[in-house]
Amino acid sequence: KQEVTQIPAALSVPEGENLVLNCSFTDSAIYNLQWFRQDPGKGLTSLLLIQSSQREQTSGRLNASLDKSSGRSTLYIAASQPGDSATYLCAVDSNDYKLSFGAGTTVTVRA
Amino acid sequence: NAGVTQTPKFQVLKTGQSMTLQCAQDMNHEYMSWYRQDPGMGLRLIHYSVGAGITDQGEVPNGYNVSRSTTEDFPLRLLSAAPSQTSVYFCASSYSGENTQYFGPGTRLTVL
Repeated sequence: KQEVTQIPAALSVPEGENLVLNCSFTDSAIYNLQWFRQDPGKGLTSLLLIQSSQREQTSGRLNASLDKSSGRSTLYIAASQPGDSATYLCAVDSNDYKLSFGAGTTVTVRA
Repeated sequence: NAGVTQTPKFQVLKTGQSMTLQCAQDMNHEYMSWYRQDPGMGLRLIHYSVGAGITDQGEVPNGYNVSRSTTEDFPLRLLSAAPSQTSVYFCASSYSGENTQYFGPGTRLTVL
């Protein structure tokens, strides 16, 4: 069974600092890995999806890397802003669209 | 496109009551699924469907039923609600040619 872990559970940084969020998974046989953002009381918004054959994906200030062999992914958010405050979830697809989620990292960016 | 919609947004039930959580998508996605989210835990898959007439169990299916009579709709039925089913429920959909999954806004369910 795929187990997904996100450390730390919570993170507080001053505005402008770069954010580094970690995700680890136990089974390297994956189709893809997806990062989501969740605002309080809201649904999930997809940020980046990395296919198993890719090493990284970038979108604006966001960059996600994938190291399948070591079972790790990292989400980098450059020059953080208060609007980046949210919970970030990592999800691994290792069985045809059935996602295994981490518990998330709650980020607070202080103005 | 409205995307993935869920109703109701909030619901309070008494133990033993039954209800149906509605999920609909207007993107013609084949794949739909239900997850529950509990504090301190990741989302867990309840049931999923790869197309109309086809459903299967996920990680935590007990106490829930689903059916998929159309591509658009994928309702989740609670047969006899229990306090352990207090949670936030999310519906998601995906197109087979695109791995990204799209999530609805969620239904917050409390069982007393």
